[in-house]
Amino acid sequence: EPEVTQTPSHQVTQMGQEVILRCVPISNHLYFYWYRQILGQKVEFLVSFYNNEISEKSEIFDDQFSVERPDGSNFTLKIRSTKLEDSAMYFCASNMDRSSYEQYFGPGTRLTVT
Amino acid sequence: GEDVEQSLFLSVREGDSSVINCTYTDSSSTYLYWYKQEPGAGLQLLTYIFSNMDMKQDQRLTVLLNKKDKHLSLRIADTQTGDSAIYFCAEPGGGYQKVTFGTGTKLQVIP
Repeated sequence: EPEVTQTPSHQVTQMGQEVILRCVPISNHLYFYWYRQILGQKVEFLVSFYNNEISEKSEIFDDQFSVERPDGSNFTLKIRSTKLEDSAMYFCASNMDRSSYEQYFGPGTRLTVT
Repeated sequence: GEDVEQSLFLSVREGDSSVINCTYTDSSSTYLYWYKQEPGAGLQLLTYIFSNMDMKQDQRLTVLLNKKDKHLSLRIADTQTGDSAIYFCAEPGGGYQKVTFGTGTKLQVIP
């Protein structure tokens, strides 16, 4: 069964450093998403991406965040200057089209900012 | 806006039924989801129900939807230790662009 993959599974970085989280969505999917889950809290939407541009973003997704689909298969989330409060599990998701009821989630990348 | 609330914790004995409850606020949702998150793992879509349904049964899972009260429940029959996980109620956002998750209910199954 096709699945969304994410790398790395765990990333440790120092405050102020840039990190790039990588995702490979399911190959025929067109809509891509990033979510985050701070430990013990709910899963929060960050951004959705379609046709090489952001289609929606949350208040959390400020100027330090950016997304890119550089090569038609990878979907990346960049955090320019990490803060302690960016420590969380980051989930990538994809779905085929707007009417599809299911978003397929990756296993997540645990980001720890020290 | 969407807001989805759940109780945080439920403990049941193996073999008993579990009922996880959820309230939501967006009455325009065409469908509602239950996602399962096992320890250290991602989010797996467990089941979903269309808003024009009152009930959906899928093997050991029964989903009940009360649109009037905006209440959704997930019943797991014959709960097993492998059912121990966090269960998230969720609804699609505007334009199906995102999923709004509830706070999650941690289900602990006692052998």
